[in-house]
Amino acid sequence: QQQVKQSPQSLIVQKGGISIINCAYENTAFDYFPWYQQFPGKGPALLIAIRPDVSEKKEGRFTISFNKSAKQFSLHIMDSQPGDSATYFCAARAANAGGTSYGKLTFGQGTILTVHP
Amino acid sequence: DGGITQSPKYLFRKEGQNVTLSCEQNLNHDAMYWYRQDPGQGLRLIYYSQIVNDFQKGDIAEGYSVSREKKESFPLTVTSAQKNPTAFYLCASSYASGYEQYFGPGTRLTVT
Repeated sequence: QQQVKQSPQSLIVQKGGISIINCAYENTAFDYFPWYQQFPGKGPALLIAIRPDVSEKKEGRFTISFNKSAKQFSLHIMDSQPGDSATYFCAARAANAGGTSYGKLTFGQGTILTVHP
Repeated sequence: DGGITQSPKYLFRKEGQNVTLSCEQNLNHDAMYWYRQDPGQGLRLIYYSQIVNDFQKGDIAEGYSVSREKKESFPLTVTSAQKNPTAFYLCASSYASGYEQYFGPGTRLTVT
């Protein structure tokens, strides 16, 4: 129930196209959904995040769409550029058991995005 | 400069040797995490610590050990009991609530 399932594993898009990566979860206690971007040999960097009381969040060319009833969320990259080629991870945060304010993230398996010029 | 540092960037060890990976942060974060990354398997949580002198096992703690004696530091020891230690190791930190996690640059460990 703690899993976050991410698809597709890899994605090839032409420059200027839209890249869409999807994630699904089961645990209704998840309360925060970030996306991370990772370039080869580097640590992941926080890209954009959403809370479940919002259905969409946009930052520049990056948009998260969130469907609470379907327990799904997705990342849309508009006008994809070769510099967007990276691995993208979705994640979800749940509070620790016991009613504390502590929590930790569960990550999806990652999507390797390649944007062709 | 604020951030998370990991050292060394590359580490080579012989099988049977313990090795310790360093992680330091100056973000004043309470929580720190260690992840292992293998190709096609995403990020798997090894250990995490939400306050000094306390830490919890993650999903794949076997063969690893940690300590948290200072808020800024969370070293990871890969012991000889870890059956497949070659991987990319990532350290992260956040406030105790566990929302925005920030990652270090990683250490690539190769054991032969």
